[in-house]
Formats: sequence, structure tokens, C-alpha cells
Amino acid sequence: DVKVTQSSRYLVKRTGEKVFLECVQDMDHENMFWYRQDPGLGLRLIYFSYDVKMKEKGDIPEGYSVSREKKERFSLILESASTNQTSMYLCASKAGTRSGYTFGSGTRLTVV
Amino acid sequence: AQSVTQPDIHITVSEGASLELRCNYSYGATPYLFWYVQSPGQGLQLLLKYFSGDTLVQGIKGFEAEFKRSQSSFNLRKPSVHWSDAAEYFCAVGDQAGTALIFGKGTTLSVSS
Repeated sequence: DVKVTQSSRYLVKRTGEKVFLECVQDMDHENMFWYRQDPGLGLRLIYFSYDVKMKEKGDIPEGYSVSREKKERFSLILESASTNQTSMYLCASKAGTRSGYTFGSGTRLTVV
Repeated sequence: AQSVTQPDIHITVSEGASLELRCNYSYGATPYLFWYVQSPGQGLQLLLKYFSGDTLVQGIKGFEAEFKRSQSSFNLRKPSVHWSDAAEYFCAVGDQAGTALIFGKGTTLSVSS
């Protein structure tokens, strides 16, 4: 089975800190995605990547950036964390157009 | 605009009873449709998917879903619910171009004994 690993399950950061959320997949998938999940709002797409060094903005990219230097790793960066970025962050990958996503377990980030 | 609507925010079903979770989509292209389940504190797990062909799709854990193009729906069903089915369920839509999935806001299922 494909495994998507998010490095932290829980994080607490201070306002203004630069925060890195790491995601690694082990099946050579080309496509990787970052979503945030908030109660009542469902999953909202932040950024995605179709290949190494390629990135595309999703629906809510403001305040975030991403990095994909290697195929297996897709990092989400909060340049200057704010309290409104407190959320559950979900990483996912998929192989091709007819594949569903494989999700990581999520990182619950609290910004204080 | 492309969208997915799950009309029911929360549903409670008795253990052993049947279940139907509703999903309606608005999508210009030929849709690919998915159902995911999320247990508390976990990531999402794929239950089933529809791309083409038979409009009744079987998934894991005894779930099935039926694609009805005329109603723009992809409802999830299970004939007999177990307490372990209590979770949040998400419907999602994508397309042949492989663009990022659009998710509904989810339906929380509670199972009463």
C-alpha cells in the first residue's frame, strides 16, 4: 500500500514563526496536494504539485508557500504563522488521473 | 462553478439499519466521483470511486454508491450499519484532466445502539 507520512501529528507554534509541514510518499507518485480542514468548511486546497519543482496555487494559497525539490517530498511553509492558520493540514498524493488520493494522517497545527 | 454538496451535516442511524448519504455535484466535464471516510483524528481513506461504466460501484467495508447522471448525484449506501462506521464521510469530484479534487463539506455519521 502507498504510504503518505506527515512528520508531525500535533504542532504548537507562536504567531510570526516560520512553520514547515513535511509530507513524504513512498510510491513515486507524481501528484501531491496540501489541504486544510476546518469544521463546517470541509477540505480546502492550498497548493498542489504535478512534478518536481512544479507547483500550482489552490483555492486558498495566501499565507502559504510550498517546496518540492524531490518527487517524494512536498513541504508546506507558513511564512509567518497567524492564529487563523490554526487548522488540520492534510497531505495527499495520487498516481494518475484515474487514481484516488492517498492521504496522510494529518497535522493538527495550533498557532498561539 | 464546480461544487459538491452534501446536504446532510449530521445523520444518526441505528446499528443494523440501512444508510444512505447524499452527494450532489455540479461539474462541467465528465466527472470522476469518490467517497472518502475519516475517523476522528485521522486522515481520509478511500471507500470507492467511479470513473465510467457500471453506475453502481462497490467499495470497501460493504459500501456501495450509485452514479445518477440525470440527478447529478452519487449517493453512498450501506445495507446494515455497524457501530464502527461512525465517522465523517466526504464526497469528492474530479475529472479526466486529473485536476485536484473538489470535496464536499462532509456528513458526520453517528450510530446508535
